[in-house]
Amino acid sequence: EVQLVESGGGLVKPGGSLRLSCAASEFTFSAYGMTWVRQAPGKGLEWVSSISSSSTYIYYADSVKGRLTISRDNAKNSLFLQMNSLRGEDTALYYCARIPVSGQWYFDLWGRGTLVTVSS
Amino acid sequence: EIVLTQSPGTLSLSPGERATLTCRASQSVSNNYLAWYQKKPGQTARLLIYGASSRATGIPDRFSGSGSGTDFTLTISRLEPEDFAVFYCQQYGSSTPITFGQGTRLEIK
Repeated sequence: EVQLVESGGGLVKPGGSLRLSCAASEFTFSAYGMTWVRQAPGKGLEWVSSISSSSTYIYYADSVKGRLTISRDNAKNSLFLQMNSLRGEDTALYYCARIPVSGQWYFDLWGRGTLVTVSS
Repeated sequence: EIVLTQSPGTLSLSPGERATLTCRASQSVSNNYLAWYQKKPGQTARLLIYGASSRATGIPDRFSGSGSGTDFTLTISRLEPEDFAVFYCQQYGSSTPITFGQGTRLEIK
């Protein structure tokens, strides 16, 4: 089945770190750009970061720049989000999603999400 | 940053009725690069429309998108029970950041 499965979420103290993973199945992962989108409790969707198929282009929302780092391993069909210096406002359900067309950043395949809670 | 405002916040309709959801942008969306998604609790988000009016693969033709510039509409011609969910618009026409609307909740009346 074509799918994305996120993992790595959990409870972390403010200032702490966490690494999220997204495993891709049944499609040619290396051919697609990928993105992270988050949803805080009771809120809407917020774009976090995107990475092109070969990692050449990487973009971040201002709210996470310098603290969160997106990366990918095409040999392992995996996307990552290294989260450092976490804050309460980073508490959210984090989704990975696929970008179907290079240069057009809409998302045609989503995971179910992994929950990150930042609290002391 | 382009701000997207969706209306109404909540829409209460019955199966068989027509639903009209709107998304207004704070400035013109380049190339009408606007997408619509459906999100149900515990399920993955589903791409419905991209490029303002192109239906994604497998999306029933009761879903249609229209609009250009700053005003966009998602129409569901005849609501089925499985259509009730939260709907988000997203613009991808500008350089970063990509932005989403705050969502419209479509509930059964």
